[in-house]
Amino acid sequence: DAKTTQPTSMDCAEGRAANLPCNHSTISGNEYVYWYRQIHSQGPQYIIHGLKNNETNEMASLIITEDRKSSTLILPHATLRDTAVYYCIVRIGSGNTGKLIFGQGTTLQVKP
Amino acid sequence: NAGVTQTPKFQVLKTGQSMTLQCAQDMNHNSMYWYRQDPGMGLRLIYYSASEGTTDKGEVPNGYNVSRLNKREFSLRLESAAPSQTSVYFCASTRGRAFYEQFFGPGTRLTVL
Repeated sequence: DAKTTQPTSMDCAEGRAANLPCNHSTISGNEYVYWYRQIHSQGPQYIIHGLKNNETNEMASLIITEDRKSSTLILPHATLRDTAVYYCIVRIGSGNTGKLIFGQGTTLQVKP
Repeated sequence: NAGVTQTPKFQVLKTGQSMTLQCAQDMNHNSMYWYRQDPGMGLRLIYYSASEGTTDKGEVPNGYNVSRLNKREFSLRLESAAPSQTSVYFCASTRGRAFYEQFFGPGTRLTVL
């Protein structure tokens, strides 16, 4: 599975968009980009995933660059409850065991 | 649906003691996983079970054993606990290998003295 690089921490003002970057320059053609978050030592929570196209769901949007070497998770209107550690994970979508390799993640602090 | 449940929530052991962490899911998922998370670190995979009847090692399997008791239950055993195993343990499940969303339990906070 490809390695990912994320900033250690970020701040965001409440109500503003939070843009969390992730670099995955060694990603291969059959690898997906996943985002999970972990709020204050709870179990991680799935947010979104994508392969090539941009994706949006009720929680967030995922923008993947055309060369797929980086991506950005966007929380459109961050709230205090979005304060968490956000993990960007790359792995193949099928034909594997489904195991996830977590890095250090980005600690997002949403401030009033 | 309770989702993924773990017992106990907290446990304190002395070095050399043994214990089993229990995990159960009621979502009819095929694959189950055990992770550990040390303070300030990301999660690391200990063992996983891609389907009922199979188990495989993850990144950090030493000092642990697992049992996939049935489709619902996946237990993690520490035969002789060591202080280095002080951690938070998370169980997770997913429908199958090709499905992308893993559901996590609330965690077991284990301290080994």
